[in-house]
Amino acid sequence: RKEVEQDPGPFNVPEGATVAFNCTYSNSASQSFFWYRQDCRKEPKLLMSVYSSGNEDGRFTAQLNRASQYISLLIRDSKLSDSATYLCGGGRTALIFGKGTTLSVSS
Amino acid sequence: GAVVSQHPSRVICKSGTSVKIECRSLDFQATTMFWYRQFPKQSLMLMATSNEGSKATYEQGVEKDKFLINHASLTLSTLTVTSAHPEDSSFYICSARMRSAPNNEQFFGPGTRLTVL
Repeated sequence: RKEVEQDPGPFNVPEGATVAFNCTYSNSASQSFFWYRQDCRKEPKLLMSVYSSGNEDGRFTAQLNRASQYISLLIRDSKLSDSATYLCGGGRTALIFGKGTTLSVSS
Repeated sequence: GAVVSQHPSRVICKSGTSVKIECRSLDFQATTMFWYRQFPKQSLMLMATSNEGSKATYEQGVEKDKFLINHASLTLSTLTVTSAHPEDSSFYICSARMRSAPNNEQFFGPGTRLTVL
């Protein structure tokens, strides 16, 4: 089983839609979790940290469920500019990443 | 803040040559840097963890004699791909963790696209 698993998608949604991504991890010793955004042929950019108490930043909400070992990302009111690949990563020191979930927002 | 640079951004080389990639944290001290590799449409694969002043820790399956890592200062880590072959062609990305990062955030460099002919 891979250490971090994500549904690769693609998720094709219209502008304004709400979309949710989930990610599961197998290493219960992982302490830190993040969502990164990666555009085509670019490096990942940190989107937000993920906490058990939840973390909201504008239209983005991230949540960690330690008991079930999954991480979620909710994007509300999707914009065209949200089209990208979203990577979840977790670990103790180094971050291990899932394959990424591709989101395509269309007008 | 939290800017990480990589050099070169793109390199094309002949099979059998060695290629050196530099990763620098420009506005913070990075006690730990990480090297990843990403093949097209694949995940970021962790290659090694580089700690300033000590030997790198390599992930299973990554040859330490082929991928030489040096972390000489708190702002610079280098990855040398020795005797590169076409199968080494990939996108190599480093990341750096701030010394004072409370949540273990890592910031990525822009990546180096290596093509071995």
